[in-house]
Amino acid sequence: RKEVEQDPGPFNVPEGATVAFNCTYSNSASQSFFWYRQDCRKEPKLLMSVYSSGNEDGRFTAQLNRASQYISLLIRDSKLSDSATYLCVVIGPGTYKYIFGTGTRLKVLA
Amino acid sequence: EPEVTQTPSHQVTQMGQEVILRCVPISNHLYFYWYRQILGQKVEFLVSFYNNEISEKSEIFDDQFSVERPDGSNFTLKIRSTKLEDSAMYFCASSGQVFHNEQFFGPGTRLTVL
Repeated sequence: RKEVEQDPGPFNVPEGATVAFNCTYSNSASQSFFWYRQDCRKEPKLLMSVYSSGNEDGRFTAQLNRASQYISLLIRDSKLSDSATYLCVVIGPGTYKYIFGTGTRLKVLA
Repeated sequence: EPEVTQTPSHQVTQMGQEVILRCVPISNHLYFYWYRQILGQKVEFLVSFYNNEISEKSEIFDDQFSVERPDGSNFTLKIRSTKLEDSAMYFCASSGQVFHNEQFFGPGTRLTVL
């Protein structure tokens, strides 16, 4: 099983739609979780950290399910500018290194 | 807003040559990292650096790689004898907190080995 697994997509959605991505991780002792956004040939940019209680930032909501070992990202009211690859990132126990998923591509269509 | 910077943005080199990639982390950050991303693949961890020494490295980070913080601002990655498979985007990142450890990435250096 891969350390961090994501559906590569692409997810093609119309403007205004709600879209959700999941990411699963293999190490149950993983300690920190993040969603990053990556535009084509650019650096990953932090979208949000994911907390056990779930957290929301505007149109974006992240959830963590430790029992099932997955994190999710929900984007409401999609904008054209949301088109990007969304990277799931996990930090395992006893380390600070990031383990990246392969990313999920989102295309928001006009 | 403070940001991580990297130079050069693109480096082309011949196989077997040495390259040095440079990074200036965010000024009050304490932890520094190098990652790479081969075209079409996921981002992979190379090495982390704290308190002037390597704190962790991956199996990719073999004897051909080294890192250095030569002064109070720069953080460098050296590849001694480049191979074709070293062609990738190299990202530097830094973080200031031990807990949560939100890392901030530079714009990357695209390394092309011919």
